[in-house]
Amino acid sequence: DIQMTQSPSAMSASVGDRVTITCRASQGISNYLAWFQQKPGKVPKRLIYASSSLQSGVPSRFSGSGSGTEFTLTISSLQPEDFATYYCLQHNSYPWTFGQGTKVEIK
Amino acid sequence: QVQLVQSGAEVKKPGASVKVSCKASGYTFTSYYMHWVRQAPGQGLEWMGIINPSGGSTSYAQKFQGRVTMTRDTSTSTVYMELSSLRSEDTAVYYCARMGGAADYWGQGTLVTVSS
Repeated sequence: DIQMTQSPSAMSASVGDRVTITCRASQGISNYLAWFQQKPGKVPKRLIYASSSLQSGVPSRFSGSGSGTEFTLTISSLQPEDFATYYCLQHNSYPWTFGQGTKVEIK
Repeated sequence: QVQLVQSGAEVKKPGASVKVSCKASGYTFTSYYMHWVRQAPGQGLEWMGIINPSGGSTSYAQKFQGRVTMTRDTSTSTVYMELSSLRSEDTAVYYCARMGGAADYWGQGTLVTVSS
């Protein structure tokens, strides 16, 4: 199985900060990587697909990059509604696997 | 509009089985694979497996092999996830999710509590 390692597992940031979350795959997954946001008590929501494509309706302050084994999710200017937990998901091969999550908290 | 509506919360004893349903509407049921994802209290997302509603083929995470069965009923546009030999660690919210296509859609989640 492909292991997805996210870092950091948690972070504190202020409104307006630039935030970067990293996901590493245990083997190459091309660009078969998605990013999800989950707020407490809510279902996950996909932000990014195919490593760098922005889901329709998602603010442009979110961006994704990477290929192979290293991927990043960047929030260019953190907004109050962005405080949430973020997960990467590889869908290169079964079983699909999520990263362990990154909780972004208010500093 | 696309909707995935799951069955209600369940309380089960250790060793029992649970079967969760997910009724799809608003799109052609057989055109999109359906995933099952679970989330234990305070924990992350865990991918369990996938079913092709068209032919019924499945792929399961190794962790659940032998305990999980995913099925579908095309006449009612419903997918099912049955998990057997339940233990306390299976206490979680179980989601069905359609992640193919231009958007992702999730059921509302079904809380399964395993307790003696």
